[in-house]
Amino acid sequence: QSALTQPASVSGSPGQSITISCTGTNSDVGSYNLVSWYQQHPGKAPKLIIYEVTKRPSGVSNRFSGSKSDNTASLTISGLQAEDESDYYCCSFATTDIWVFGGGTKLAVL
Amino acid sequence: QVQLVDSGGGVVQPGGSLRLSCAASGFIFSTYGMHWVRQAPGKGLEWVAYIRNDGSDKWYADSVKGRFSISRDNSKSTLYLQVNSLRVEDTAVYYCAKDHLDTWAFDYWGQGSLVTVSS
Repeated sequence: QSALTQPASVSGSPGQSITISCTGTNSDVGSYNLVSWYQQHPGKAPKLIIYEVTKRPSGVSNRFSGSKSDNTASLTISGLQAEDESDYYCCSFATTDIWVFGGGTKLAVL
Repeated sequence: QVQLVDSGGGVVQPGGSLRLSCAASGFIFSTYGMHWVRQAPGKGLEWVAYIRNDGSDKWYADSVKGRFSISRDNSKSTLYLQVNSLRVEDTAVYYCAKDHLDTWAFDYWGQGSLVTVSS
């Protein structure tokens, strides 16, 4: 099972919105509404920010939102803040009972 | 509050073995599936293994199948990962993670345990 495809890096200015894409196949992203997104600051464990494509866990800012179309999922961060600068990973449940992550996207807030 | 504490990492030679542990507290451990996820130095996340809440199902990434074994002791609220036949490419921080309400997402993570495979 290959990793999901994410851009290596994205950037935005404070207050702007950015979108990170996550492209898979019809064996993972396209087959299930089981895409999740994680934020990871350097040296820290990942933090769940989106699950089941669009849902936010309790306590996660509503500036984070998720969507999906066919084999591509997306994470949008609106009203960018300096603290959003981090690495972001998508993940999907896949056929043959496994989970597959994206390669990660480094977000720079300029 | 939910807490997961990873332990058991260390330096091991190629071909060696280790047992990683994850002590859970703050939730009813026997109710939730659990995962191991790893991250090689400077690299991305890789899912490793999953075990159902009662231990009845165990799934593995192809890269570790036949070498790693996931298990749990619900009476001790502890998750384990037995890692055998270690390779240099298994060098990584290993995180345990809790399944989120059967949504196949990982909502709480341990702090990670570093496994270094080197001669």
